[in-house]
Amino acid sequence: AQSVTQPDIHITVSEGASLELRCNYSYGATPYLFWYVQSPGQGLQLLLKYFSGDTLVQGIKGFEAEFKRSQSSFNLRKPSVHWSDAAEYFCAVAERDTGRRALTFGSGTRLQVQP
Amino acid sequence: DGGITQSPKYLFRKEGQNVTLSCEQNLNHDAMYWYRQDPGQGLRLIYYSQIVNDFQKGDIAEGYSVSREKKESFPLTVTSAQKNPTAFYLCASRNRAGDGNQPQHFGDGTRLSIL
Repeated sequence: AQSVTQPDIHITVSEGASLELRCNYSYGATPYLFWYVQSPGQGLQLLLKYFSGDTLVQGIKGFEAEFKRSQSSFNLRKPSVHWSDAAEYFCAVAERDTGRRALTFGSGTRLQVQP
Repeated sequence: DGGITQSPKYLFRKEGQNVTLSCEQNLNHDAMYWYRQDPGQGLRLIYYSQIVNDFQKGDIAEGYSVSREKKESFPLTVTSAQKNPTAFYLCASRNRAGDGNQPQHFGDGTRLSIL
């Protein structure tokens, strides 16, 4: 069964510092890959997605992610973090070759931003 | 604006009681999903539906039931058989058009608690 690992449960960065959130997946073929962000008590908002092609994808709010097939990773990055980026971030994958298209989520990384 | 509406935002259940969570979307999406979110565990799939009058069990369907009588509606019933229903429930939908590489859109969730 496919799985998604986000090894960092909680990360604290200073405002203006760079950010990298890690995501590794376990799946036989390259799945569809997503990053979502969740503010407290809210639903999930899509940041970016990877399906094929260029392995560096750009998303909303200045985020980007790089797909590395050899490492089965899809890490999320932002060059300069803003206080409003404090939230929980989820990496998710969806199978390519089934109709289910349901998402398998990592356990999330909670980002705290220090002034 | 198109979107997904979940109601109520907060719900309380008594022992032995069934409760129903509403999910309505006006995005004209074919596929709809229910996820359960517990702290530190990410989201887990309860049920999903690819088309009206059809639905499948997800990874944690025991103690839950759904119906899909209309394209825009996918209510979730938490039955008395679900012994640990306290969680945050998220509904999502997706456009099935194309290769299936359409991201899921999420509602703002319903928080269910036991009285």
